[in-house]
Parts: sequence; structure tokens; C-alpha cells
Amino acid sequence: SQQGEEDPQALSIQEGENATMNCSYKTSINNLQWYRQNSGRGLVHLILIRSNEREKHSGRLRVTLDTSKKSSSLLITASRAADTASYFCATDGSNDYKLSFGAGTTVTVRA
Amino acid sequence: ETGVTQTPRHLVMGMTNKKSLKCEQHLGHNAMYWYKQSAKKPLELMFVYNFKEQTENNSVPSRFSPECPNSSHLFLHLHTLQPEDSALYLCASSQDLLAANIQYFGAGTRLSVL
Repeated sequence: SQQGEEDPQALSIQEGENATMNCSYKTSINNLQWYRQNSGRGLVHLILIRSNEREKHSGRLRVTLDTSKKSSSLLITASRAADTASYFCATDGSNDYKLSFGAGTTVTVRA
Repeated sequence: ETGVTQTPRHLVMGMTNKKSLKCEQHLGHNAMYWYKQSAKKPLELMFVYNFKEQTENNSVPSRFSPECPNSSHLFLHLHTLQPEDSALYLCASSQDLLAANIQYFGAGTRLSVL
């Protein structure tokens, strides 16, 4: 069953601007991951944050996790046209290795 | 290149056809997955294999039949499909089934059932 839910469903920004998307989930998690999917392609892992971590950085990506609110955010700074893609959060639970994905946020970066 | 290769990339089939999707991973992983991705919906996990043994069948109709001859190859055999089975089918692999497993995806097979 769906665990993560991304918000907004779609986002359009100008190149150079920051993009922020959020993920909410329902039950306790061990880890939360973010993936990117370019049109018609497979998903690519971006970053993993553990339940005992609050913030993580990777290049232009910043992920936060608030377990009390059961939510996470992904920030892409100084966006580029190549960042145009769909972004998915995925969670795995305390006793379950399986990843549960949301429906994704579609980001369009305008040149 | 993610190290996971899926063929074919596109497939059109009639409801009475039989076809197979193939997935191969070159990452030395032990776990492999089949997902279905329909427009505007979350990924649906279909099957999971670990060391060639099926560990998950997520109530998938029998017209989808997986096969995992070894840890590097995964097939999805299709027969008498329905139009609603049209979707992007994604294969993924991970080192194992421990939590925090990062999955590596193929580019997918875009399936159209006429």
C-alpha cells in the first residue's frame, strides 16, 4: 500500500531558482529515500536519510526529515534544465525491507 | 547506465499473445524486483526474488509469471493480458533484502496491450 505522498504534484520553476518538494508518510520508518525519474526512464537513487537523522546534503540536494510530523522535504538549489524530472520518496518500515513509493512530484525547470 | 538492463524497451501485444520481458543486472546483487508503473500512480511492487527464490508475490494476477534462473537474470512472462495491463514495467536490483537497501532500476519496458 502507498506510504509516501509527495506534494506538490507538479512544480514549474525558472532555471537558477530553488525547488522544494515534500513527502508525508503514515507509519514509522527506518529510512527514507529520494529517487529521480527522467521521462520514460527508470528511477535513480539520489539520497537516503535514516530515521535518526534530521538533515542530509548531497551536492545541490538537501533533505530534511521530521519523524514527529512524519514528513520529509527535498530541496534542489540553483536548479538546471537537467533537473527536469519526477521525484519520488520511498520509505521502508521497521520490519519490512520493501520500499513504498509515492506518486511523485513532477518538476519542470524552464530555461 | 545503472547496471540494470531491460529488454525490450517497447512492446505492443495483443490480448492473446505471449511475450517475455527480460532484466539483467551486472552489479553482483542478490535481490531483484519487478514493479508496475502506471500514469499518475505510485510504483506497484509485483514480485521480489532473493538468491533466486521468490520472497514476494504482491497478489499479482497469474497472467504475469516471473522467472529467476539465477541472481543476475529476471524474466516476466506475459500471456492473455488485458488493456489495463498497459504500463511501464520496471526491474530493479539491490544488494540484499536488508533495510536501507538502495535499489537500482532499469530503464523499463513500455508495454501496450491492444
